[in-house]
Amino acid sequence: GAVVSQHPSRVICKSGTSVKIECRSLDFQATTMFWYRQFPKKSLMLMATSNEGSKATYEQGVEKDKFLINHASLTLSTLTVTSAHPEDSSFYICSARTWTSDNEQFFGPGTRLTVL
Amino acid sequence: AQSVSQHNHHVILSEAASLELGCNYSYGGTVNLFWYVQYPGQHLQLLLKYFSGDPLVKGIKGFEAEFIKSKFSFNLRKPSVQWSDTAEYFCAVNARNSGNTPLVFGKGTRLSVIA
Repeated sequence: GAVVSQHPSRVICKSGTSVKIECRSLDFQATTMFWYRQFPKKSLMLMATSNEGSKATYEQGVEKDKFLINHASLTLSTLTVTSAHPEDSSFYICSARTWTSDNEQFFGPGTRLTVL
Repeated sequence: AQSVSQHNHHVILSEAASLELGCNYSYGGTVNLFWYVQYPGQHLQLLLKYFSGDPLVKGIKGFEAEFIKSKFSFNLRKPSVQWSDTAEYFCAVNARNSGNTPLVFGKGTRLSVIA
């Protein structure tokens, strides 16, 4: 149980376009979802926290207008990278928690975004 | 705010060698502690976690970790590593009893096990 999926696994886009990444909890209801960004040889950097039905809380330095997060249901959250630029190229990982998961976070497989 | 330090960036061991990966955290309150593993091309998986009780925690695949409160440490250990343990290991922490606080990760330690 506690499976989190992400789609797509890889995406290549042109500079200036927008890209949407989906994160789904397949067998549980995710009361809270988190979006992380992982740089090469570096740690996971938390971008934002979202609770179902509420606006996301963004970490300092993360542009909320650039990284749009929607958590419309208990099983789906989306991250939209708007007007993507090459510096947005990265590995984006979502994570989900449910009220019964005892603080444990379950992670998706990640999405590799490359902006040309 | 919490922070996590993992001192070893890359560890190379021979099969059957013992492993200890360091993890120190910084936070004034009570914390939950985790170790996650990321095998090549796969997503993060939980190895073990500590919330309270016995400070020596046993996880999957023969891993264990010991919480030493006085040292703010939560080092990961395995007595005999295998080639299949080659992966990236992340220590993480969040504040206990603070609602939906997310996990804060260390920078990770890459473990390479050679035959």
